[in-house]
Amino acid sequence: GQQLNQSPQSMFIQEGEDVSMNCTSSSIFNTWLWYKQEPGEGPVLLIALYKAGELTSNGRLTAQFGITRKDSFLNISASIPSDVGIYFCAGPLGGNTGKLIFGQGTTLQVKP
Amino acid sequence: KAGVTQTPRYLIKTRGQQVTLSCSPISGHRSVSWYQQTPGQGLQFLFEYFSETQRNKGNFPGRFSGRQFSNSRSEMNVSTLELGDSALYLCASRRTSQGIGNEQFFGPGTRLTVL
Repeated sequence: GQQLNQSPQSMFIQEGEDVSMNCTSSSIFNTWLWYKQEPGEGPVLLIALYKAGELTSNGRLTAQFGITRKDSFLNISASIPSDVGIYFCAGPLGGNTGKLIFGQGTTLQVKP
Repeated sequence: KAGVTQTPRYLIKTRGQQVTLSCSPISGHRSVSWYQQTPGQGLQFLFEYFSETQRNKGNFPGRFSGRQFSNSRSEMNVSTLELGDSALYLCASRRTSQGIGNEQFFGPGTRLTVL
C-alpha cells in the first residue's frame, strides 16, 4: 500500500542546533502536513502546505512542499528543550479527504 | 474554543470483550476521523464520518465500527477484542469533508489495553 518514508527515524541533538527531517512518497500529494506529538497527547498540527514549491514558516519551524509533490521537508532552527517529541509528516489520500497517511515519525531529543 | 475531546482517556479490557470510545469534535466541525496508533504500525486510518455517514474506511476488520450523531459527536466500537487491539485510539475533527485549508485537529486519544 501507499507509504510515506520519513527520515531520520531519530535525532539526538544539542540545544541551539538546527534540525532537518524529510518525508518522501511514491505518489503525488496535494497537501503535506507536519504534526508533533508529545507523550500522552495527540498529534498537534504544526504546518500545512498546499502548493508545490511552497515554503511556510511557523516561528522557528519552516516546511517546504517539494516541487515534485512527492516530498516535503521540515526544519527547526535553534532547537530548545521543548522541541522534544515525535514529528510526523502526513498527507491526505484521494485528494483532500479525511483519510490521512502518516510517516513513521522522527523522534527528536534535545540535550540542554 | 475547546479542542477535540475523547473519553475515556484510559481503558483496560480483556480479550473477547467489546468497547466503545467517544469523541466530541471542535465546535462547528462536522467531519470526524478515527486512527489507531501502535508502536509497530504507527498511525493508521480507521474511518471518517461526515453528516452521520461513513465517507472513508481503512483496512481494518469488521470488528471495528463507528457512527456519528446529528451533533457531530462520534463513537467507535471494537467487538471481540484481541490482544493486538491494544493501542492509542485517536479522533480528529475538521470543518467539512473536503477542501483545502480544512485540516484535521486531533484529540488526546484513548489508551486501550487488552489483557
